[in-house]
Amino acid sequence: GQGVEQPAKLMSVEGTFARVNCTYSTSGFNGLSWYQQREGQAPVFLSYVVLDGLKDSGHFSTFLSRSNGYSYLLLTELQIKDSASYLCAVSPNSAGNKLTFGIGTRVLVRP
Amino acid sequence: GGIITQTPKFLIGQEGQKLTLKCQQNFNHDTMYWYRQDSGKGLRLIYYSITENDLQKGDLSEGYDASREKKSSFSLTVTSAQKNEMAVFLCASSIGTNSNERLFFGHGTKLSVL
Repeated sequence: GQGVEQPAKLMSVEGTFARVNCTYSTSGFNGLSWYQQREGQAPVFLSYVVLDGLKDSGHFSTFLSRSNGYSYLLLTELQIKDSASYLCAVSPNSAGNKLTFGIGTRVLVRP
Repeated sequence: GGIITQTPKFLIGQEGQKLTLKCQQNFNHDTMYWYRQDSGKGLRLIYYSITENDLQKGDLSEGYDASREKKSSFSLTVTSAQKNEMAVFLCASSIGTNSNERLFFGHGTKLSVL
């Protein structure tokens, strides 16, 4: 069916990495965004991708494969403060910012 | 930088009550949005507005009204609160409606209905 899928939870260890997967099946594709949301806080924009490949933004990198309907957000050198929910959102057609969001992946970084 | 302010932060209502949530932004953004966030579900778009006095329905508009009184403010009305309803309502804004334009979110209004 149509939608954006993400795992609900992910645990990792401080100093290592976490990869948050996102798969989508939407009527058309006009870009994919990632947001970070800490508990009780506003979602904050992290990255936007529309071309295939890896986009390196330092602490965060994002990958996109349009043919597979797949993206991931890679967090490297994890810190405890990276514990948050990470939301994947797809812009499905030319309706611009009418985003379709996944449920968000809750990443827990432990010492 | 700018800020999005949502009021109130917490809202407790009675079943059947009409409830209004307010949102103000000082980014001078054209487009504003109301999303609903439920536990275990992705954000769902209720209404959005691309300019003052404009209103566009999202996927979840039934049971809600909205009003874009001026460029900086966008209010949402729950027309009849449902018993035991609990959700967070997030307001957001963006410069325009292109897919590559980031959304700036407020901290949310948490609704509980008794």
